[in-house]
Amino acid sequence: DIQMTQSPSTLSASIGDRVTIICRASESISDWLAWYRQNPGEAPKLLISKASNLESGVPSRFSGSGSGTEFTLTIAGLQPEDFATYYCQQYDSFVGSFGQGTKVEIK
Amino acid sequence: QIHLEQSGAEVKKPGGSVKVSCKASGYTFVSHGITWVRQAPGQGLEWMGWINTYNGNTYYGPILQGRVTMTADTSTNTAYMELKSLKFDDTAVYYCARGGRWPGGYWGQGTLVTVSS
Repeated sequence: DIQMTQSPSTLSASIGDRVTIICRASESISDWLAWYRQNPGEAPKLLISKASNLESGVPSRFSGSGSGTEFTLTIAGLQPEDFATYYCQQYDSFVGSFGQGTKVEIK
Repeated sequence: QIHLEQSGAEVKKPGGSVKVSCKASGYTFVSHGITWVRQAPGQGLEWMGWINTYNGNTYYGPILQGRVTMTADTSTNTAYMELKSLKFDDTAVYYCARGGRWPGGYWGQGTLVTVSS
């Protein structure tokens, strides 16, 4: 099974800040990686697929990069709705898995 | 528009079973798999598995293998997730999402399953 590890677990930032979240896979997953944002009480929202492809309607302040085993999600200019928890998910095989999540808090 | 409507909250006893439904609308049901994800209170997302709605093939995560069954009724565009031998730590919000092999771009509203004696 492929294990996904995110860092940091918690991140404190202010509105307008640029932040980066890292996701590492236990083995190579090529670029079969997605990023989600989950606001409290809501279902997750897909932001990025195939490591760097921004989903339709997602603001351009979100960007993703990486391949193989190391990936990053960058938010350039945090907005109020971005204070949430972010998850990476691998879908390299028919059995997927999520990272443990990164909570972005207001400093 | 694409919509996934899940069944309502459930309270079950340990050792029992629960079946959650997910009715899809706004797209061709058999063209996209349905993924199931759960989230225990205050915890992260757990990938449970998915069903290929075209041929009924299923792919389950290792933790729930043997206790979970996913099915799909193409006549009603509804997917089902049944979890048996319930334990206290199965208490969670269960989500369905359109995606299957691929990331979930559309999600249901979630179904709270509480396991309590």
